[in-house]
Amino acid sequence: GAVVSQHPSRVICKSGTSVKIECRSLDFQATTMFWYRQFPKKSLMLMATSNEGSKATYEQGVEKDKFLINHASLTLSTLTVTSAHPEDSSFYICSASGTLYNEQFFGPGTRLTVL
Amino acid sequence: RKEVEQDPGPFNVPEGATVAFNCTYSNSASQSFFWYRQDCRKEPKLLMSVYSSGNEDGRFTAQLNRASQYISLLIRDSKLSDSATYLCVVNTGGGSYIPTFGRGTSLIVHP
Repeated sequence: GAVVSQHPSRVICKSGTSVKIECRSLDFQATTMFWYRQFPKKSLMLMATSNEGSKATYEQGVEKDKFLINHASLTLSTLTVTSAHPEDSSFYICSASGTLYNEQFFGPGTRLTVL
Repeated sequence: RKEVEQDPGPFNVPEGATVAFNCTYSNSASQSFFWYRQDCRKEPKLLMSVYSSGNEDGRFTAQLNRASQYISLLIRDSKLSDSATYLCVVNTGGGSYIPTFGRGTSLIVHP
């Protein structure tokens, strides 16, 4: 299967700061990338879908001005959590799918803790 | 009604048991189906795709029933290492790829 990396794997920050998470497809071109959030013992929640070169499509209830998504190339998407607050603490996972693969491949996730 | 529904469990089974999960979907135009496995505090990993004719990979068998709009996953001879959450994913986007996840079914295999 394809490989998707995510960086950083873990971040701890102060309330009010912004955090950028990178998601890279290492061996395939990801035409679509997805960003999910998962709280402990809860199911994955899709936050947004991004296609290369176009604006992300956000799910209902997800603030696009707070969670900035950029999908500038076929191998990189970034999620920036702006003015993070403790309630933003969660496990953020990206996934990617491309023209060669019908399924999506997940990055290892980023555990964000906001103090 | 949710688009993709799974029984959250947990399913608590002894080693060696056979266990089956179902996942129902509401959109009859759904195109492709997958089972993922997620371990605690880890990302989901693709377990297997689900084909119309059904498919088998070792101890795992996946089936699709379009008429009743559900997919199933059967695990034979359960191992302790099978303990995880099993996520059903349905592509509900028609021509484009729009995956919808079920909330997952928790499996606990005990000695």
